[in-house]
Amino acid sequence: GAGVSQSPSNKVTEKGKDVELRCDPISGHTALYWYRQSLGQGLEFLIYFQGNSAPDKSGLPSDRFSAERTGGSVSTLTIQRTQQEDSAVYLCASSLSVESRRSTGELFFGEGSRLTVL
Amino acid sequence: AQSVTQLGSHVSVSEGALVLLRCNYSSSVPPYLFWYVQYPNQGLQLLLKYTTGATLVKGINGFEAEFKKSETSFHLTKPSAHMSDAAEYFCAVSRTGGFKTIFGAGTRLFVKA
Repeated sequence: GAGVSQSPSNKVTEKGKDVELRCDPISGHTALYWYRQSLGQGLEFLIYFQGNSAPDKSGLPSDRFSAERTGGSVSTLTIQRTQQEDSAVYLCASSLSVESRRSTGELFFGEGSRLTVL
Repeated sequence: AQSVTQLGSHVSVSEGALVLLRCNYSSSVPPYLFWYVQYPNQGLQLLLKYTTGATLVKGINGFEAEFKKSETSFHLTKPSAHMSDAAEYFCAVSRTGGFKTIFGAGTRLFVKA
């Protein structure tokens, strides 16, 4: 697609439920990133994919969080047994591979998925 | 480890006044530095970036930033603020292009008429 697409744009769930957030990156971008944006907290790095592999999962806050990427394209971030502190905007970004000579280092962001856990 | 500090979570200026948003970074290797802007209910978009070369970098919408290695700073400026500049601004650092970009906490810019 023309830009990074995220769905759903808004999700309200009850504490303890599982949620899945989807990211469709820009065509041709092999690198994909998930960030969490909480009020007044800036952007917290969660995970980075190069192709289908995730070299850096260090930002995932707990084992309730997981992410996968298939076909080098769409990625899903799953939060199990949601807690109220998981409420935030989850941003996905994509970029050309960092190994690409065409890479400028710029991240292209989607509009985010706003998660509210009641 | 890399980190970014943005001084001031909120900055308020009058329309037509100078905009100065401060950013300091720490990095053990030569950094790539970025400023992104986020308008309400939107994702972030790149304003400008420094990778190598000229230390004064010009971006979109009349913004510019200067990389000062000795001060480990990358402050964002604009000579004359416009109402449409009201948004949140994020400074970011990465070691190589894009990989694990670390963001500051953001500075919300208010522009008064």
